[in-house]
Amino acid sequence: AQSVTQPDIHITVSEGASLELRCNYSYGATPYLFWYVQSPGQGLQLLLKYFSGDTLVQGIKGFEAEFKRSQSSFNLRKPSVHWSDAAEYFCAVVTSGGSYIPTFGRGTSLIVHP
Amino acid sequence: DAGVIQSPRHEVTEMGQEVTLRCKPISGHNSLFWYRQTMMRGLELLIYFNNNVPIDDSGMPEDRFSAKMPNASFSTLKIQPSEPRDSAVYFCASMNSGGFNEQFFGPGTRLTVL
Repeated sequence: AQSVTQPDIHITVSEGASLELRCNYSYGATPYLFWYVQSPGQGLQLLLKYFSGDTLVQGIKGFEAEFKRSQSSFNLRKPSVHWSDAAEYFCAVVTSGGSYIPTFGRGTSLIVHP
Repeated sequence: DAGVIQSPRHEVTEMGQEVTLRCKPISGHNSLFWYRQTMMRGLELLIYFNNNVPIDDSGMPEDRFSAKMPNASFSTLKIQPSEPRDSAVYFCASMNSGGFNEQFFGPGTRLTVL
């Protein structure tokens, strides 16, 4: 079965600094990868997704993620963080041949200092 | 579209009482999911429906939990009797199945069992 690891429970950055959130997956074939964001008191919202093609994908709110097959990673990045980016971020994987049900990582909580 | 609608947004009840959470998925979506989120266990899939039929309820923690989807526009998650350890945020999500599509989450119901 596939699994998703987000090794950082919390990340603290200063406003304006760059950001990288890590995500590693375990699956034999190419998975379908997602990043979701959960703002306080809200449900999860899709930031971006990777299915195939260009391994660098652009998402909403200025986020991007890069799929690296050799590292089994799909890290989320943003060049300059805004205070409103403070939220919980979830990486998820869906595998082919299955039920299309995503497996979510435990999440990374982003704290932004002014 | 109003998105996935959940009610109530907050529920406080006493141990032993019955709790019913409600969800209206996005019109046209044929898959519906119930999740539970806690600090200790993260985001857990409880059950999902496809075309109103329960497909996998292996995540339902106990027989005290039950879910129904009488039609394509409504689902309930019931806990009877409730216990303090059921305190969590419960999310409903919907999506179009049959491909690697994103899930759309509702705002969640925060349940507190005293």
